[in-house]
Amino acid sequence: DQQVKQNSPSLSVQEGRISILNCDYTNSMFDYFLWYKKYPAEGPTFLISISSIKDKNEDGRFTVFLNKSAKHLSLHIVPSQPGDSAVYFCAASNYGGSQGNLIFGKGTKLSVKP
Amino acid sequence: KAGVTQTPRYLIKTRGQQVTLSCSPISGHRSVSWYQQTPGQGLQFLFEYFSETQRNKGNFPGRFSGRQFSNSRSEMNVSTLELGDSALYLCASSFSGDPATDTQYFGPGTRLTVL
Repeated sequence: DQQVKQNSPSLSVQEGRISILNCDYTNSMFDYFLWYKKYPAEGPTFLISISSIKDKNEDGRFTVFLNKSAKHLSLHIVPSQPGDSAVYFCAASNYGGSQGNLIFGKGTKLSVKP
Repeated sequence: KAGVTQTPRYLIKTRGQQVTLSCSPISGHRSVSWYQQTPGQGLQFLFEYFSETQRNKGNFPGRFSGRQFSNSRSEMNVSTLELGDSALYLCASSFSGDPATDTQYFGPGTRLTVL
């Protein structure tokens, strides 16, 4: 059973607009969430993270929102740029739980059109 | 600082063979995790090593094994290969292995094809 779900396999956005990528989780023990970006033929690259004690974290054009009651998080990219085109993975872990173990969603492929 | 390196980058094997993949972590990192990425399942955790000890293991059969050396370099081995083992195998390293305090840095992966 998937504990981290990204229900949209793909998303297409116009350059300059907002991209919103969504992620749902089922395990209430998760207390740390991350987003990774992956280009073809490269490994995933860490993008941004959020602890369960927060509901928002910003880093430049990237903002992650966490809604614990809904077990939902989202990544907002504003403004979107063609270089943002990649596969985005949502991941979760529980502090003090399994070390080195991130639970990943299946990813959302973002295409930003010029 | 050099990133995580994985060798080889591409590998073709036939069913029944065994394979060994190598991962060199970022200098100073003692935790190495391995993941399998397939189109249908996404990234799935295989196991994690810290200071030559396996601390955590995912839900994979015993054909998948690994080890870590004193210099933190890690290898994973898959015996009796099956067609379903075709995947991208990713290695990630961090100082402590705790995702809440340390970022996991991924290597480029080894693409394994089983014929």
